Amino acid sequence: GAVVSQHPSWVICKSGTSVKIECRSLDFQATTMFWYRQFPKQSLMLMATSNEGSKATYEQGVEKDKFLINHASLTLSTLTVTSAHPEDSSFYICSARDGRGYEQYFGPGTRLTVT
Amino acid sequence: AQTVTQSQPEMSVQEAETVTLSCTYDTSESNYYLFWYKQPPSRQMILVIRQEAYKQQNATENRFSVNFQKAAKSFSLKISDSQLGDTAMYFCAFKGVQGAQKLVFGQGTRLTINP
Repeated sequence: GAVVSQHPSWVICKSGTSVKIECRSLDFQATTMFWYRQFPKQSLMLMATSNEGSKATYEQGVEKDKFLINHASLTLSTLTVTSAHPEDSSFYICSARDGRGYEQYFGPGTRLTVT
Repeated sequence: AQTVTQSQPEMSVQEAETVTLSCTYDTSESNYYLFWYKQPPSRQMILVIRQEAYKQQNATENRFSVNFQKAAKSFSLKISDSQLGDTAMYFCAFKGVQGAQKLVFGQGTRLTINP
């Protein structure tokens, strides 16, 4: 089956620093990738949608200058949390969709802790 | 905009029992996809079952089946012969076929299977 990986699985950073999370589709070409944020015991909140080679489309209320998304290739998307603060601590999940657009495959998630 | 509602925040049943999780949605589209995802403690999102709206037949996957009522916009998940490994958060999700085709998630139901 289609596999999506995320790296790192857990990252701790200091307030004010930036952290980058990678999302890779391992065995298919992901024309579209999605980034979600999940707080404890809550549902997934879509942050942004990115298409390969295009600028990401951010959901309302998501700061595009804070959460930088790059989808430079058909197998890699990155989320950079800039000037992270403790309130950015959360679980970030990416998912990828192939060209058929039928199903999304989810990565295992990244736990971000900002101290 | 589409919305997905799961009215049962938590459910608990004994092992081997049958349990039904409820989901309702709202959309003006006539064709779409519905999904049930499982998120175990590992937090990896796992697709349990999908239903295509234009198919009248309810989808089944081994012990998992759905009751899709298109007119009522209802999409419940039935788990038969429940197992301890079924303990997880379950999310109902909607995906339209127009526009960005984003997954819209419900709030989730925390299901606990007791031995």
